[in-house]
Amino acid sequence: EAGVVQSPRYKIIEKKQPVAFWCNPISGHNTLYWYRQNLGQGPELLIRYENEEAVDDSQLPKDRFSAERLKGVDSTLKIQPAELGDSAVYLCASRGGGNTGELFFGEGSRLTVL
Amino acid sequence: RKEVEQDPGPFNVPEGATVAFNCTYSNSASQSFFWYRQDCRKEPKLLMSVYSSGNEDGRFTAQLNRASQYISLLIRDSKLSDSATYLCVVLSTGGFKTIFGAGTRLFVKA
Repeated sequence: EAGVVQSPRYKIIEKKQPVAFWCNPISGHNTLYWYRQNLGQGPELLIRYENEEAVDDSQLPKDRFSAERLKGVDSTLKIQPAELGDSAVYLCASRGGGNTGELFFGEGSRLTVL
Repeated sequence: RKEVEQDPGPFNVPEGATVAFNCTYSNSASQSFFWYRQDCRKEPKLLMSVYSSGNEDGRFTAQLNRASQYISLLIRDSKLSDSATYLCVVLSTGGFKTIFGAGTRLFVKA
């Protein structure tokens, strides 16, 4: 079974440019998360989806960040315009049903803003 | 105060040593608890869940103390391959809000 797939793996852009990250969760997983992880820190939640509904976006900087999961499957996270402080690894994770609570992560998208 | 706090370490231990990590959480209504392992430049992966009665998986033992709101992970007979960052994870009641600690780095030396 395929795991969580993210792209691109690496992205280098100049500040003020836009960038987008894509995530395809494990088939059948209704819950999808976007996390941001800075060096030496744990993942910080940006947004959580239940199917196509964003149920927790309280930590998403809405002035420049947006996300969508139109059909309740794959998702896109966008930053426009990017700032130097946005350099981080953007992790997508999905969780299936049941009460295990286990999150399955993609390999992440490493963003460098110059 | 952060919702989940861990000692960042690093912990430098020789092979064969026993090492313990602690983690505290602030939300008394938290429902589920986990330890994840993250290797350098890799994604986090579930190491083990933490149950109220305590649980063991080979050389790893996890404990939960709800009264004091802390979780522990004990690693016995450390191996070089145990070198990684260990993330404490707390799941909130109902909404499946998953909060990660900052992680504790472990280096096991030959």
